[in-house]
Amino acid sequence: GEDVEQSLFLSVREGDSSVINCTYTDSSSTYLYWYKQEPGAGLQLLTYIFSNMDMKQDQRLTVLLNKKDKHLSLRIADTQTGDSAIYFCAESSKYSGGGADGLTFGKGTHLIIQP
Amino acid sequence: DAGITQSPRHKVTETGTPVTLRCHQTENHRYMYWYRQDPGHGLRLIHYSYGVKDTDKGEVSDGYSVSRSKTEDFLLTLESATSSQTSVYFCAISITSGELFFGEGSRLTVL
Repeated sequence: GEDVEQSLFLSVREGDSSVINCTYTDSSSTYLYWYKQEPGAGLQLLTYIFSNMDMKQDQRLTVLLNKKDKHLSLRIADTQTGDSAIYFCAESSKYSGGGADGLTFGKGTHLIIQP
Repeated sequence: DAGITQSPRHKVTETGTPVTLRCHQTENHRYMYWYRQDPGHGLRLIHYSYGVKDTDKGEVSDGYSVSRSKTEDFLLTLESATSSQTSVYFCAISITSGELFFGEGSRLTVL
């Protein structure tokens, strides 16, 4: 079955770039997603990338997709204290109904910002 | 804001009691999902719905049932709660065929 793997923690200094990595197994995934979760809150969609793209940039966020290696990364430039959160990688899952797939999530990466 | 409301937001109950969590949406989206979030497991899909009275099981459906009698409401029921069902439950809706928008979560503690 599908599996999404992420490292559990990443610690960076404020102002540096953060790179959060993810590997997935389902080569048929059409979209891959990054979500952010702040303490006590739900998940917020940060960005997504279509599987025929290699890169997507949105302000401080850069998503890189290596489809051959099934590797996805999220780079946050100039990391700020407000970026401290859990970041989830997700892919379209096998649980489909009427054409709408749910998502399979990784366990999440805790981004810790050092002053 | 995708117009998703979960209730209750917090609940403490005892083992063996029934519990129902409600997810309400205001925008008539067809697809709705229930996930649970646990430390070390991330988010796991419990059940999902693709229309009124159309539901199906997800990865961790044992011990849970769902109902969708109206487009706007998706109910998750624990017939007899167990301590292993202590978790944070998230409802989500899908606007397109992949992108999900989440509610704020319902924290359930089973003693």
